[in-house]
Amino acid sequence: NAGVTQTPKFQVLKTGQSMTLQCAQDMNHEYMSWYRQDPGMGLRLIHYSVGAGITDQGEVPNGYNVSRSTTEDFPLRLLSAAPSQTSVYFCASSPQVTNEKLFFGSGTQLSVL
Amino acid sequence: GDSVTQMEGPVTLSEEAFLTINCTYTATGYPSLFWYVQYPGEGLQLLLKATKADDKGSNKGFEATYRKETTSFHLEKGSVQVSDSAVYFCALTGGNYQLIWGAGTKLIIKP
Repeated sequence: NAGVTQTPKFQVLKTGQSMTLQCAQDMNHEYMSWYRQDPGMGLRLIHYSVGAGITDQGEVPNGYNVSRSTTEDFPLRLLSAAPSQTSVYFCASSPQVTNEKLFFGSGTQLSVL
Repeated sequence: GDSVTQMEGPVTLSEEAFLTINCTYTATGYPSLFWYVQYPGEGLQLLLKATKADDKGSNKGFEATYRKETTSFHLEKGSVQVSDSAVYFCALTGGNYQLIWGAGTKLIIKP
């Protein structure tokens, strides 16, 4: 019963590098989203998707790209990493777009030097 | 815009103490309200929810009542355990059903 799987768990990047955070869910959920978690600020929505081929911006989308080619996968791309992107990133999915219950991955801790 | 305000932590209690974590909100319309819990090193999990005024959500001994008149959704537990140590997040559904999150409250329970 995998649920939402995120990789990697930890990553260190240098400023300007690019990378992709992977997220996969095996629950056939239509809705998927990416959040960042910073101390004292709760979770902030980066991008979300309501189904394959459909993505939209959240509260803090700058510097990030997403795509949704399948129902299962929702990767997050950092185009040119900056120290301000140092954070913990969570992927979440939900069976309904009303988000009555979100299922979270275990997170990726990213440091940008 | 919609927002959620939680009491600042950390909150430190002894085992078997009574717990209250305050949460107040500002919202247009009639949002659903949630409490999520994050145990160390893990992702968030839904703890309880309430979808309309005067509803009480409950789970694992925790309770919260949706109070529209005071725009509050305070989390309570009668007797906490060391295993309840975690970060607790209050949230509501905003526009387009996206969740608006509080900053989180860290709870530390000492044996």
